[in-house]
Amino acid sequence: EPEVTQTPSHQVTQMGQEVILRCVPISNHLYFYWYRQILGQKVEFLVSFYNNEISEKSEIFDDQFSVERPDGSNFTLKIRSTKLEDSAMYFCATRAASGSPLHFGNGTRLTVT
Amino acid sequence: AQTVTQSQPEMSVQEAETVTLSCTYDTSESDYYLFWYKQPPSRQMILVIRQEAYKQQNATENRFSVNFQKAAKSFSLKISDSQLGDAAMYFCAYRSVGYRNKLVFGAGTILRVKS
Repeated sequence: EPEVTQTPSHQVTQMGQEVILRCVPISNHLYFYWYRQILGQKVEFLVSFYNNEISEKSEIFDDQFSVERPDGSNFTLKIRSTKLEDSAMYFCATRAASGSPLHFGNGTRLTVT
Repeated sequence: AQTVTQSQPEMSVQEAETVTLSCTYDTSESDYYLFWYKQPPSRQMILVIRQEAYKQQNATENRFSVNFQKAAKSFSLKISDSQLGDAAMYFCAYRSVGYRNKLVFGAGTILRVKS
């Protein structure tokens, strides 16, 4: 069964550094999302992306965050200047069409020191 | 804005027994989707079951079934014949129909299965 692939599985970075989290969606999927889960807490929506533009973003998704799909395949989340509170599990999720279920990647654990 | 509430932070069940996890939600929409996701210690997010609000029939997926009460805005998950592999965090989630359709998650319920 096709799956959403996220890399790296674990990223450790120093506060103030830029990180890029990568996601390869399932090939025919058109809707892309990033979610965040701080350890022990609920899964929170960050941003949705469709037709090469952001369709919705949450309050968490401030100017430090950006998303893009630079080559038509990879879907990336960039955090420009990481803070300690950005430490979390970041999930990419994609789906084919409006009514289709969401498929999650295995997540990237980001640790900011 | 829609909200999802899971009032049980933790639940325990004996192997082979049945357990029900509760979920309520708040929305003014008439059509939407509801989901249960399982998150094992590996922290993957695995879709367990989904329900379309326009369908009166409760969704069933093998040992997993839901009790969807639209008027009460309740969406509970029943796990029958519980197995050790069912131990995980379970999240209830809501999604609107249409363009603005992110998933809104509840806080989760940790399910422990005793042998």
